Amino acid sequence: DSGVTQTPKHLITATGQRVTLRCSPRSGDLSVYWYQQSLDQGLQFLIQYYNGEERAKGNILERFSAQQFPDLHSELNLSSLELGDSALYFCASSLSSGGSTDTQYFGPGTRLTVL
Amino acid sequence: LAKTTQPISMDSYEGQEVNITCSHNNIATNDYITWYQQFPSQGPRFIIQGYKTKVTNEVASLFIPADRKSSTLSLPRVSLSDTAVYYCLVPIYNQGGKLIFGQGTELSVKP
Repeated sequence: DSGVTQTPKHLITATGQRVTLRCSPRSGDLSVYWYQQSLDQGLQFLIQYYNGEERAKGNILERFSAQQFPDLHSELNLSSLELGDSALYFCASSLSSGGSTDTQYFGPGTRLTVL
Repeated sequence: LAKTTQPISMDSYEGQEVNITCSHNNIATNDYITWYQQFPSQGPRFIIQGYKTKVTNEVASLFIPADRKSSTLSLPRVSLSDTAVYYCLVPIYNQGGKLIFGQGTELSVKP
């Protein structure tokens, strides 16, 4: 158990809909990262928040948005869903703002299925 | 621009030692090398991290030569449960210094 929690574990929805994925980081961690992993694909970095502020952006679509709240939990909002958005979405947290020694701890993921 | 290259896949048998080598020719002077393990449908898990020479923990060893342009993850006496994807990471500075996951090495351990 990494200490990172994600809800829900599974989500099934229809095209065009909007969903919200939630992540609670490990106690004491200030950074939250979001990743997308499609079937047989690698981990695609989406976005990072550090202490409530956006820190880095990766390949995140305009239909997706995220935020980190004062209690440091984070939400990833996915809107106008398409079939291709079906994937595992992972949240990770780290102690600091990033860098090669700032170990990321991953949650169990949310499996999103868009029908 | 730091980038990693590692084999796409490897096969091994139970009880053997497995060595996975990663090249990172453009690693920056102060950067560490980190390895993660990922089982199907689970989040990656930190295995080991090192800067130079040799690092060992209860799971694996990491060998880094003096020029630091490559690193080798060594898994002693693998078992079926070591079947997973192994990622080697160094920061990618045109991505804000983030640890960007590459394709990884899919290790298959057979009985």
